[in-house]
Amino acid sequence: NAGVTQTPKFQVLKTGQSMTLQCAQDMNHEYMSWYRQDPGMGLRLIHYSVGAGITDQGEVPNGYNVSRSTTEDFPLRLLSAAPSQTSVYFCASSYEPNPGTNEKLFFGSGTQLSVL
Amino acid sequence: AQKVTQAQTEISVVEKEDVTLDCVYETRDTTYYLFWYKQPPSGELVFLIRRNSFDEQNEISGRYSWNFQKSTSSFNFTITASQVVDSAVYFCALSEPYNTDKLIFGTGTRLQVFP
Repeated sequence: NAGVTQTPKFQVLKTGQSMTLQCAQDMNHEYMSWYRQDPGMGLRLIHYSVGAGITDQGEVPNGYNVSRSTTEDFPLRLLSAAPSQTSVYFCASSYEPNPGTNEKLFFGSGTQLSVL
Repeated sequence: AQKVTQAQTEISVVEKEDVTLDCVYETRDTTYYLFWYKQPPSGELVFLIRRNSFDEQNEISGRYSWNFQKSTSSFNFTITASQVVDSAVYFCALSEPYNTDKLIFGTGTRLQVFP
């Protein structure tokens, strides 16, 4: 099993550029989410999805868009990159047979993004 | 509001020492889940344990053990006879299942185990 696959692993952007971080999982997981990891801040939830066609905001959604057209894919779009978005981004998924069961998260290997 | 505090930013030990990583949480809900994740140098977070708020039994898994105390809102993690491979950043996390299944992470504790 590939698990959760994130691409690219590294990316450098200039301020104002847009890009999409890709996330795909092959475990038929309903729940997918994006976190960003910053020094001294832990991981903070950006957006999440409980199933295809359903997305919602997390703790730090500003400057990011998501969509969930398929169960497998959950791309994260930076509309106009800013230096404050320099971070490591993690995609995660879990199998949620029933809402509230909080199954364990499977994480991707992360994308290190630098915005100059 | 929910909050997870990991007051220990960094801990250094010598191999074979026991080490405890502290986790204190805040929540107004009576039903919640607590987690520990390990982030080795490779970067990927690895699930270690999930504990339901109604289950206060301590858990042991090999050299790892967890002490859950609702009275002090703590969910501490102990590694017995630490090894170099235990070197990683460890995150404690809290979720409230009746809301949105979001995880609230602590800031992490970096553990360095020296040979």
